[in-house]
Amino acid sequence: DAGVTQSPTHLIKTRGQQVTLRCSPKSGHDTVSWYQQALGQGPQFIFQYYEEEERQRGNFPDRFSGHQFPNYSSELNVNALLLGDSALYLCASSFRGEYEQYFGPGTRLTVT
Amino acid sequence: EDQVTQSPEALRLQEGESSSLNCSYTVSGLRGLFWYRQDPGKGPEFLFTLYSAGEEKEKERLKATLTKKESFLHITAPKPEDSATYLCAIVSPSGSRLTFGEGTQLTVNP
Repeated sequence: DAGVTQSPTHLIKTRGQQVTLRCSPKSGHDTVSWYQQALGQGPQFIFQYYEEEERQRGNFPDRFSGHQFPNYSSELNVNALLLGDSALYLCASSFRGEYEQYFGPGTRLTVT
Repeated sequence: EDQVTQSPEALRLQEGESSSLNCSYTVSGLRGLFWYRQDPGKGPEFLFTLYSAGEEKEKERLKATLTKKESFLHITAPKPEDSATYLCAIVSPSGSRLTFGEGTQLTVNP
């Protein structure tokens, strides 16, 4: 049973650039949530996608956007990168109506 | 606003020395409380879900309990491989987003 997968594993970008992160949910799951985790802190909710629409959003600026594809995979896009965007970006999947979320290994983004 | 506070921030134990981690929460109508384990540089690994006060779940050396205001993760006779950060999260009654605490970094020395 394939778990949640994310790509790439690591990424280094320059301030002002744009980045796209990718996530494939666990087999049988149709809902994808994205979280940002700064070093030494708990994950912070960015947004959640279900049926290819953004269903909930956390306190993140519009520079953070996303997409969900018909096969339930998802992308997180961040524009105009800031140094403060450096973090571990986590994707979590779940089945609609259920609260248990399973996380991928994360993408470590470093902005220089 | 939903809030989760975990204590202690860090805990050092000797192998075999049992202890407990605390997670206190504030939410208007708990839909679920979750415990995750996270190893350095990796994604959180799901451990337990608790839904109502009085509920308990066990897995190997770990046991999670829930009251109306807090949850405890009891670790019995820990081993060095139990060293990790343990995260507590609650699910919002207005949706399914998770609100996490800052975590407890557990180190078990041989």
